[in-house]
Amino acid sequence: GAVVSQHPSWVICKSGTSVKIECRSLDFQATTMFWYRQFPKQSLMLMATSNEGSKATYEQGVEKDKFLINHASLTLSTLTVTSAHPEDSSFYICSARDPQRGGYEQFFGPGTRLTVL
Amino acid sequence: DAKTTQPNSMESNEEEPVHLPCNHSTISGTDYIHWYRQLPSQGPEYVIHGLTSNVNNRMASLAIAEDRKSSTLILHRATLRDAAVYYCILRAVREETSGSRLTFGEGTQLTVNP
Repeated sequence: GAVVSQHPSWVICKSGTSVKIECRSLDFQATTMFWYRQFPKQSLMLMATSNEGSKATYEQGVEKDKFLINHASLTLSTLTVTSAHPEDSSFYICSARDPQRGGYEQFFGPGTRLTVL
Repeated sequence: DAKTTQPNSMESNEEEPVHLPCNHSTISGTDYIHWYRQLPSQGPEYVIHGLTSNVNNRMASLAIAEDRKSSTLILHRATLRDAAVYYCILRAVREETSGSRLTFGEGTQLTVNP
């Protein structure tokens, strides 16, 4: 299947700092990528849909000024958690679909574990 | 969006078949049934999907009830590596073609005993 990578795989930061997470489609082009957040023992919650060359679409309750998304190319989307606080500590996962493979399957990255001290 | 209901957890023994149920009584005629699984500390991965007919692939089989109000994911011989949370997700046909988001429920935590 297609491969989606994330970087970093884990990060620890101090409260008040900003953290950038990268999501890359390694062997396909993705006009759309998705960002999810997952708290311990809970399911994945969609945060936003990232569209190449245009603004991201945020889910209700997700602060767009706090979670900045930039989809600058067909293979890269970034999520920046600004002024992070301990309650932002979570597992952040991105996904993308490959239209060349039919598009029905979403390929997920391995996730980034963020810990805010 | 139509809702799915899955048991919170299930257990199986290694090398035995596992049947993971999913109820979706409000499914519409154009909803596809998708299954994804998430291994510990990893992103989810696609398992299988179907519309009306039963489906088989190298990972699993999907049995869909005739009225489509329920489905069952079948792992023919469970291994320890199959221990994961399994998510049953409905997706409208327009979402299939547009590639829109997946909405995850709580899923079923499968434990495989050696």
